[in-house]
Amino acid sequence: GDSVTQMEGPVTLSEEAFLTINCTYTATGYPSLFWYVQYPGEGLQLLLKATKADDKGSNKGFEATYRKETTSFHLEKGSVQVSDSAVYFCALSNNAGNMLTFGGGTRLMVKP
Amino acid sequence: DARVTQTPRHKVTEMGQEVTMRCQPILGHNTVFWYRQTMMQGLELLAYFRNRAPLDDSGMPKDRFSAEMPDATLATLKIQPSEPRDSAVYFCASGSPGPLDTQYFGPGTRLTVL
Repeated sequence: GDSVTQMEGPVTLSEEAFLTINCTYTATGYPSLFWYVQYPGEGLQLLLKATKADDKGSNKGFEATYRKETTSFHLEKGSVQVSDSAVYFCALSNNAGNMLTFGGGTRLMVKP
Repeated sequence: DARVTQTPRHKVTEMGQEVTMRCQPILGHNTVFWYRQTMMQGLELLAYFRNRAPLDDSGMPKDRFSAEMPDATLATLKIQPSEPRDSAVYFCASGSPGPLDTQYFGPGTRLTVL
């Protein structure tokens, strides 16, 4: 079946550092890929998505490129802020029913 | 700004009591999901509805959990009887029609069973 693997956290960075959170997937066909973010005490929010190979999703300074050859969708940001501290989930959708397969989540902590 | 709403936001109850959690999906969305989140297990899918019909509830303990959609504006998750191991945050999410759209999450219900 489909699966998503994320790097384990927590990831601790200083403000303005470069961020990479790795995500790889296993799926049949051509899934859509997503990054969700969960701030403390809140539900998950869609951060960005990509629907086909080589697409780049971007939002709030975050980017991720759909790499079919490496089955990856790594999340990057050039300069993190304290307010980016949250848990980040990579996910894929492989059908028409909005069903998502989530990775385990990666906690990011940004220190001033 | 359309949002998924969930009630209550927090619930503390004693073991053996019935717990009912409610979710109002975004108007026009035809898919509804219930998730449970714990530190140990992470995010788990409990149940999934499309057009109010249950499509997948394999992640839900059948003996004590039940999920329903009495109408298009209300989804419920019930636990009877509740146990301490049910303590978690329960999220509802809804999705819009269309093959490649995504899910929109509510703020969650934090359940503590003593």
